[in-house]
Amino acid sequence: DVKVTQSSRYLVKRTGEKVFLECVQDMDHENMFWYRQDPGLGLRLIYFSYDVKMKEKGDIPEGYSVSREKKERFSLILESASTNQTSMYLCASSPPAGGSSYNEQFFGPGTRLTVL
Amino acid sequence: AQKITQTQPGMFVQEKEAVTLDCTYDTSDPSYGLFWYKQPSSGEMIFLIYQGSYDQQNATEGRYSLNFQKARKSANLVISASQLGDSAMYFCAMSRPNRDDKIIFGKGTRLHILP
Repeated sequence: DVKVTQSSRYLVKRTGEKVFLECVQDMDHENMFWYRQDPGLGLRLIYFSYDVKMKEKGDIPEGYSVSREKKERFSLILESASTNQTSMYLCASSPPAGGSSYNEQFFGPGTRLTVL
Repeated sequence: AQKITQTQPGMFVQEKEAVTLDCTYDTSDPSYGLFWYKQPSSGEMIFLIYQGSYDQQNATEGRYSLNFQKARKSANLVISASQLGDSAMYFCAMSRPNRDDKIIFGKGTRLHILP
């Protein structure tokens, strides 16, 4: 059974703290994604990675960085957390589409982060 | 620019009735895929159904069907015989395989099934 796991379901941090959100997939997928979900805004892409050590900015990368040292693990880092980063964070993975339009993404359970 | 529009922020439907969730898309690419995901209150995104732009027939998966109207750039999700467990957030999404492996999501529709 395909599996994407995230390190925490709920996380509470203080303003200015460095925050690490971890995502692990066991499907040997090349692609991994970090999204942020806010009410009325849907899912917005923060960063994605096509391979180990490869990363590209998504639509809202400001205030975030990522790390992908191993194929199965993709970390999202908030260097100095701020209250406007309170949100639901979703990680996803997918195999390379190879030009196919069918590139289903498999999601983790999400991390609900609150920054006080 | 590619875009997904879901015009219904919320819907209330009586149990056992059929439900149609609207989705329109905008792309100039000839090849694309359309997806629907369900997100229950637990938060996990669940893949429901997929339609490729070259598929001649509408996709169906159990009680879910995708009403694909290519000329209108419409990809509505139809849920037949709704159940209380269908109460969730639903997202329409689109792939653009000629560009990259990303998927673009709409803002979602929250569906409430009433007993």
